Amino acid sequence: GAGVSQTPSNKVTEKGKYVELRCDPISGHTALYWYRQSLGQGPEFLIYFQGTGAADDSGLPNDRFFAVRPEGSVSTLKIQRTERGDSAVYLCASSQSSASTDTQYFGPGTRLTVL
Amino acid sequence: AQKVTQAQTEISVVEKEDVTLDCVYETRDTTYYLFWYKQPPSGELVFLIRRNSFDEQNEISGRYSWNFQKSTSSFNFTITASQVVDSAVYFCALSQNFGNEKLTFGTGTRLTIIP
Repeated sequence: GAGVSQTPSNKVTEKGKYVELRCDPISGHTALYWYRQSLGQGPEFLIYFQGTGAADDSGLPNDRFFAVRPEGSVSTLKIQRTERGDSAVYLCASSQSSASTDTQYFGPGTRLTVL
Repeated sequence: AQKVTQAQTEISVVEKEDVTLDCVYETRDTTYYLFWYKQPPSGELVFLIRRNSFDEQNEISGRYSWNFQKSTSSFNFTITASQVVDSAVYFCALSQNFGNEKLTFGTGTRLTIIP
């Protein structure tokens, strides 16, 4: 079946602009995670959804970052007033549930470049 | 707080050699999960293995094997008879067991197999 998909694959924007990054999880997966990967680093957790609600947003760096998952499937990560330091690859993952026995499957990521 | 350390930043070996990637973790949880992911040049994280903290049996899957030692908080990964297709960045990761499987990743080891 189809894996996790993310759009766009690349996004170039100017400092101060607003961006939206989209994630389509694997069909039927109730848990969805966003991570951010800076160059040469491992992915860092941002936010996790169980269904429609954000169960843990402790990784969001500040209030410029926000994510939604209104129907419990597709999720959008929104970044306001982008800064150059926001440049990174944003990864989405989904798992069948939030149970610790479930594996997270990752999408290809969106590479965000803020000029 | 949880932490994963992958001290080897880069490793190069000649094809057909065996190679071991080290992973050391820190956690205060008694129940936790350990993972290895592969990130090839295409960028998508590929799940390799998950082990829980109660299962210290070593595991072998084809040319891959994993050595989990709770006494030293290590979860090392060995590739035998390496192949060029094994070239990638490999990440070790750790999660809690509280119904939220957010992953804490190490910084990764870039493995290059020289033909």
